[in-house]
Amino acid sequence: DAGITQSPRHKVTETGTPVTLRCHQTENHRYMYWYRQDPGHGLRLIHYSYGVKDTDKGEVSDGYSVSRSKTEDFLLTLESATSSQTSVYFCAISSDRGIHGYTFGSGTRLTVV
Amino acid sequence: KNEVEQSPQNLTAQEGEFITINCSYSVGISALHWLQQHPGGGIVSLFMLSSGKKKHGRLIATINIQEKHSSLHITASHPRDSAVYICAVRRVDNAGNMLTFGGGTRLMVKP
Repeated sequence: DAGITQSPRHKVTETGTPVTLRCHQTENHRYMYWYRQDPGHGLRLIHYSYGVKDTDKGEVSDGYSVSRSKTEDFLLTLESATSSQTSVYFCAISSDRGIHGYTFGSGTRLTVV
Repeated sequence: KNEVEQSPQNLTAQEGEFITINCSYSVGISALHWLQQHPGGGIVSLFMLSSGKKKHGRLIATINIQEKHSSLHITASHPRDSAVYICAVRRVDNAGNMLTFGGGTRLMVKP
């Protein structure tokens, strides 16, 4: 009963191929986020959503797109994967103003070869 | 300069020791979070603070808004406390409600 699940958990893909990561929540939270975690950089925001069809860029959004067609799902797409996108990707959710804190998914380890 | 700085970056302690991890930030915030990440694992929220002090078991988190500083204390540390501890803040001017993260403190507690 995690409330938030990410899929896949691991993926290896080739440079130039498209990749989609999925974040699914059962908490009905308004806000959803995609972060990447890299050694020496900590967690950095890629994109976030503040409602269905409402998304905005984070600090490292180049090369990524997102979609949110329903409250429970937030998709992160790498249109043409590059080796620099090898990382661990975390999805997170929060309610309005984060009053109830944040919940993180288990992460997706993506390797681009 | 990063908006959220943690110290130390790495910490090794003996089981039973009292541990302190520090977080300083340079922006106005509405809340500060302490998170825990075990090796290869997901991220778990430990505390959310906007003022004062919170305690959960052996963990204590404090925040001084005027000094823009927070500490996470672990009493009677145990090897299972070995993890990366991450400080994150929600900026007060943050329409998107997102967090800004520190670089993390890697803690190892030896038996």
